[in-house]
Amino acid sequence: DVKVTQSSRYLVKRTGEKVFLECVQDMDHENMFWYRQDPGLGLRLIYFSYDVKMKEKGDIPEGYSVSREKKERFSLILESASTNQTSMYLCASSLSYTRNQPQHFGDGTRLSIL
Amino acid sequence: AQSVTQLDSHVSVSEGTPVLLRCNYSSSYSPSLFWYVQHPNKGLQLLLKYTSAATLVKGINGFEAEFKKSETSFHLTKPSAHMSDAAEYFCVVPHSGGYQKVTFGTGTKLQVIP
Repeated sequence: DVKVTQSSRYLVKRTGEKVFLECVQDMDHENMFWYRQDPGLGLRLIYFSYDVKMKEKGDIPEGYSVSREKKERFSLILESASTNQTSMYLCASSLSYTRNQPQHFGDGTRLSIL
Repeated sequence: AQSVTQLDSHVSVSEGTPVLLRCNYSSSYSPSLFWYVQHPNKGLQLLLKYTSAATLVKGINGFEAEFKKSETSFHLTKPSAHMSDAAEYFCVVPHSGGYQKVTFGTGTKLQVIP
């Protein structure tokens, strides 16, 4: 089974801090994704990566950056955390070389910015 | 562009009665489709996927879905609800472009009454 592991289940940070959310997958997937999930707004794509050191902006990249130095690890960075970034963050991964592969999700990180 | 519409934001059933969660899709071609389940404070788990091999797809935990091209539907069903089925369910369609991006439905919250 695919395992996607997010480093923290719950995280509390202060405004202005630089925040790192880590995600690791163990199935050699090419694609990795970061989403945020908010009540009434559903899941929104922040960034995704289709290979090491490659990244693409999703629908809401403002205030975020990402890093993919190794294939199995995809990090989301909040450059200067703000209260409107309080949310549930979900990481996912998928295969690339065949069409229509499902994404596999981690358990999420519930981030609170005070 | 591909899209999905989940027709009910909330569904309530009694334990032991059938479950029906509705999803309609819009696509210029015959798409793949997925159903995911999300339990409180957890990530999304793949329930089942349709990839054109068979129109009736069986998934985990007794769920199944039938792809009906004439009705552009992919409804999720289960003959007998269990308390552990209480969760939010998402219908998902892949994008036609690369990178395995997807579009999520808005979700249906299933309540199971004892």
